[in-house]
Parts: sequence; structure tokens; C-alpha cells
Amino acid sequence: GAVVSQHPSRVICKSGTSVKIECRSLDFQATTMFWYRQFPKQSLMLMATSNEGSKATYEQGVEKDKFLINHASLTLSTLTVTSAHPEDSSFYICSARASGSSYNEQFFGPGTRLTVL
Amino acid sequence: GNSVTQMEGPVTLSEEAFLTINCTYTATGYPSLFWYVQYPGEGLQLLLKATKADDKGSNKGFEATYRKETTSFHLEKGSVQVSDSAVYFCALRANTGNQFYFGTGTSLTVIP
Repeated sequence: GAVVSQHPSRVICKSGTSVKIECRSLDFQATTMFWYRQFPKQSLMLMATSNEGSKATYEQGVEKDKFLINHASLTLSTLTVTSAHPEDSSFYICSARASGSSYNEQFFGPGTRLTVL
Repeated sequence: GNSVTQMEGPVTLSEEAFLTINCTYTATGYPSLFWYVQYPGEGLQLLLKATKADDKGSNKGFEATYRKETTSFHLEKGSVQVSDSAVYFCALRANTGNQFYFGTGTSLTVIP
């Protein structure tokens, strides 16, 4: 199946710094990418949907100025956590939908573990 | 609204035991239902899916039947193997919109 990678796989940073997480579709073009976060023992929660070349759509309660999403190409979306704080520590997972495919077909990355000290 | 509830783990089974992981959902309309599996250090992989009532999804010996009357999509396997050790997520996608709704995941450990 299609492969989605994320980088880095884990990151530890100091409070107040910004962290960028990359999501890449390795063998297909992704018109749409999704960003999720998962707290311990909780569900994956959709944060935002990004479409290549346009602004991301954020879910209710997600601060778009804090979680900056850029989807500049058909194979790369980035999530930047700005001025990170300990409460932003979480597992961030992206998924990608191939251009022209059903929305039932989403491929997930391995996730990025963010720890803010 | 849309939501998924799945049994909490962790679940520990001996090899060749029967597996059931319960999943129930709440949704408007007629959702598609999925089971994803996450092996250690890897991304979520689609295990099986069902897009309408009474459909049975199956893959690698796992099965789940879309039961609209009980709003359930329980995952079953007749004989688990050590290699099935992973976290299993039940999910739905409403027929309106693109969003997936996930359960909290159930960790399965199979011991020899």
C-alpha cells in the first residue's frame, strides 16, 4: 500500500520554542492531508484538514495561530507547533488521501511524539 | 454527533485463543466502518472495512460485521498469533464529510 512518512519520529523541546513536523506521501500524490493528535489513552482527534495550495481547515477548538499547517506540494504537509508548552505534549499523526481516491482511502504516518519540557 | 467506543485494554491472550474486541458507534446517517492496526513503531494500517449494513470486512483472518441494529462492528479472529500483537483502532467515517472518528485503541498482546 501507499506509504506516508513523518519526521521527526520524536522530539523533545523546551517550553516556548517552535517545532515543525513533516508529513510526506512517498509514492503517491496527496491532494488532502489530515493532522490528528492523540493524548494518552484517548482517541485520535482530528485537528485540521489541509488541501494542497490552500489554507487549512481547522476543527473547532484548535488554534490555527498555534498550529500552523502548510501544504505547499502534493507530497508534503508540515505542522508547526508555535511557542510550545507542556500541554502541547502529545502524539501527532498525519494521514493522506491520494488525489482522485475515495475519502475512505486514507494512509497514516507513524506519528511524532512531542514532549515539551 | 459521531463517536466510537471500543473496549479498553490491554488484552492479553495465549497463542491460538479466540479474539473479540468490541466496538460500538454513534453516527448520523450511514457511516463507513473501519478497523486499523498499529504495530510498534509503525503507522496505522487499514485492517478491514465495511461500507454498508450487513457487510462483513475480512483480512488476515480477522473479521468484523457491520450491524446497524446494534450499531456495532466487533473485531474477531478465531486463532491469534504472536505477530498479531498490536494496538487496534475502530473508526468510522460519516457519509457527510471527510473526518474519521476513532476509538481509543485496544492494545493486544499475544503470548506464546
